[in-house]
Amino acid sequence: NAGVMQNPRHLVRRRGQEARLRCSPMKGHSHVYWYRQLPEEGLKFMVYLQKENIIDESGMPKERFSAEFPKEGPSILRIQQVVRGDSAAYFCASSGTDFSTEAFFGQGTRLTVV
Amino acid sequence: AQKVTQAQTEISVVEKEDVTLDCVYETRDTTYYLFWYKQPPSGELVFLIRRNSFDEQNEISGRYSWNFQKSTSSFNFTITASQVVDSAVYFCALIPNAGNNRKLIWGLGTSLAVNP
Repeated sequence: NAGVMQNPRHLVRRRGQEARLRCSPMKGHSHVYWYRQLPEEGLKFMVYLQKENIIDESGMPKERFSAEFPKEGPSILRIQQVVRGDSAAYFCASSGTDFSTEAFFGQGTRLTVV
Repeated sequence: AQKVTQAQTEISVVEKEDVTLDCVYETRDTTYYLFWYKQPPSGELVFLIRRNSFDEQNEISGRYSWNFQKSTSSFNFTITASQVVDSAVYFCALIPNAGNNRKLIWGLGTSLAVNP
């Protein structure tokens, strides 16, 4: 049973470009959480999605960031017009109806903005 | 307020020493969950343990043990006879409620270096 898959593992973008980060949850999981790990700041919750719905986006920056989890396909975290401060590791976790997200993290996407 | 504090930023020990990583949490909820994760240099997050607020029994798993004390809002992690492979950043985290939203609140982590 494949775990949570994130791709790409590493992503380099120039300032002003768009970054798209993908998260495929474990089979049968319909809940996805995104976290960001900034250097020297630890991990912070960004957004919680269920299929086709955003449940909690209290951790998302107000501008340039968006997330979706369509009926089919992976969850996407999209960052428009990236800036150097967006450089970070982005992790996603998934859960099923038992809501036990904690064990199921992807390996992360490391975004570098140059 | 809901918060996790890991006061130790960095710890350095010599192999075979015991080491305790501290974690103090804050939440007003009566039902909550506490966790420890390991982040090795390769960067992935490795789940170590979950403890719910109603289970104060301490746990031991091999060289790892956890001490949960509600009276002091602490959930400390001890590694016995540390090894070089234990070198990593360790995070304590909290899910501060029993609802369906399982977002984690994280401490800033403790970087553990085990030297040969």
